[in-house]
Amino acid sequence: DIQMTQSPSSLSASVGDRVTITCRASQGISNSLAWYQQRPGKAPKLLLYGASRLEGGVPSRFSGRGSGSDYFLTISSLQPEDFATYYCQQYYNAPLTFGGGTKVEIK
Amino acid sequence: ELQLLESGGGMVQPGGSLRLSCTASGFNFRNYAMTWVRQAPGRGLEWVTDITGSGSYTYYADSVKGRFTVSRDNSKKTLYLQMNSLRDEDTAVYYCAKNILSSGDFYFDFWGPGTLVSVSS
Repeated sequence: DIQMTQSPSSLSASVGDRVTITCRASQGISNSLAWYQQRPGKAPKLLLYGASRLEGGVPSRFSGRGSGSDYFLTISSLQPEDFATYYCQQYYNAPLTFGGGTKVEIK
Repeated sequence: ELQLLESGGGMVQPGGSLRLSCTASGFNFRNYAMTWVRQAPGRGLEWVTDITGSGSYTYYADSVKGRFTVSRDNSKKTLYLQMNSLRDEDTAVYYCAKNILSSGDFYFDFWGPGTLVSVSS
């Protein structure tokens, strides 16, 4: 199974900050990576797929990049509604696996 | 409007059974593979099982293989998860999620709100 490791596990930031979350796969996954946002008590919501493709309706302050086994989610200017937990997910190989999550908290 | 709504969760003793349902609307259900993902309290997301759009093929995580069975009724636009021999570690919120295609390993573009399964004596 492909292991997905996210860092940091949590971070504190202020509204307007630029935030970057890292997701590292245990092997190369050829951009077969999705990012989800999960607000407390809610279902995950798809943000990006194909490592860098923005899902429809997702604000452009969210962006993704990466290659091989290392991927990054960046929020260019943190908004109040962005305080949530973010998960990466690889779909290169079965079984589908998720990172452990990164909780973005208000400083 | 696309909707997924899970039901059937609840409290059950170890060794017991539960059947979850996920009712879909707003999209052509039979054209998409469907997945169950679970989240233990305070933990991350874990893929459990998925089923192709036709229902012909199913796949399971090792942690549930032989105990859980996924199925679907495309005429009723409903996904099911039969859970037998439940263990404490099966306690989680169970989400159904829509895949982007009818088969294959991909990502999920819509999720239901989830239903809580609690296994405890």
